Amino acid sequence: ETGVTQSPTHLIKTRGQQVTLRCSSQSGHNTVSWYQQALGQGPQFIFQYYREEENGRGNFPPRFSGLQFPNYSSELNVNALELDDSALYLCASRRDSPPQETQYFGPGTRLLVL
Amino acid sequence: AQSVTQLGSHVSVSEGALVLLRCNYSSSVPPYLFWYVQYPNQGLQLLLKYTSAATLVKGINGFEAEFKKSETSFHLTKPSAHMSDAAEYFCAVSENTAGNKLTFGGGTRVLVKP
Repeated sequence: ETGVTQSPTHLIKTRGQQVTLRCSSQSGHNTVSWYQQALGQGPQFIFQYYREEENGRGNFPPRFSGLQFPNYSSELNVNALELDDSALYLCASRRDSPPQETQYFGPGTRLLVL
Repeated sequence: AQSVTQLGSHVSVSEGALVLLRCNYSSSVPPYLFWYVQYPNQGLQLLLKYTSAATLVKGINGFEAEFKKSETSFHLTKPSAHMSDAAEYFCAVSENTAGNKLTFGGGTRVLVKP
C-alpha cells in the first residue's frame, strides 16, 4: 500500500474526446509526476508538478496538461485524444525533503482510446 | 541526455536459480539508478536505488545490484528465484537521488518455472 490512489481504474474514450485522470497523494507530498506506459513498454515521463507549478516536462505535446491542488490531489488532462494515447497512466508523489525521500507510485489508470 | 537499455525483454528462470537482469545506462552527468518491479495490474514498486554511497546496493525481497561505472551497467541479481518474483522489472535513471523525472528502460518480464 503506497498511499497513492488513482481514479478511475479503467476508462474508454473515443478519438477526439477529452479525458481527466485523477491522483490522490499522501499528506505532505508536494511533488507529483505523471507517466505514460504504453503496452509492452517502460513508462515515459510526462511532467512534474511542485507546489502547484509545473517544473519539468517530457516529450509530450501541450494537449497534455495538469493541475495540482493544495489538498495533495492532482489531475492529468488530455485533449483531442488520439489512438496512441491508449496506455496506463501512472502518477507518483513524494515530499520534497529530505532529498532522499522515496517517491511512491499509484496503481495507474488504464485508458483505451477507440 | 540520459537513457537506459535493458537487455532481454523476457527472462525465464527455474525456481531456486539465479536471477540476472541486465541494465546499461548512458548519462552525461553522474547517474542515479533505480530498479522497479511491476506486478500485474499494479503500479511500480521501488526495489533499490544507487545514489553513489556504495557500488553494491541491497534492496527488498533479496535483490541486489552492482554499479559498474567502467561498464556503464547496473545489473540486478537475486541468488534464488521464488515464484513470487514473476513480474516485470524496470531499470531507470534520474538526475537526482529522489528519482524525479525518471527515464525508464523497456522492461524485462521474468517468468519463474516450478
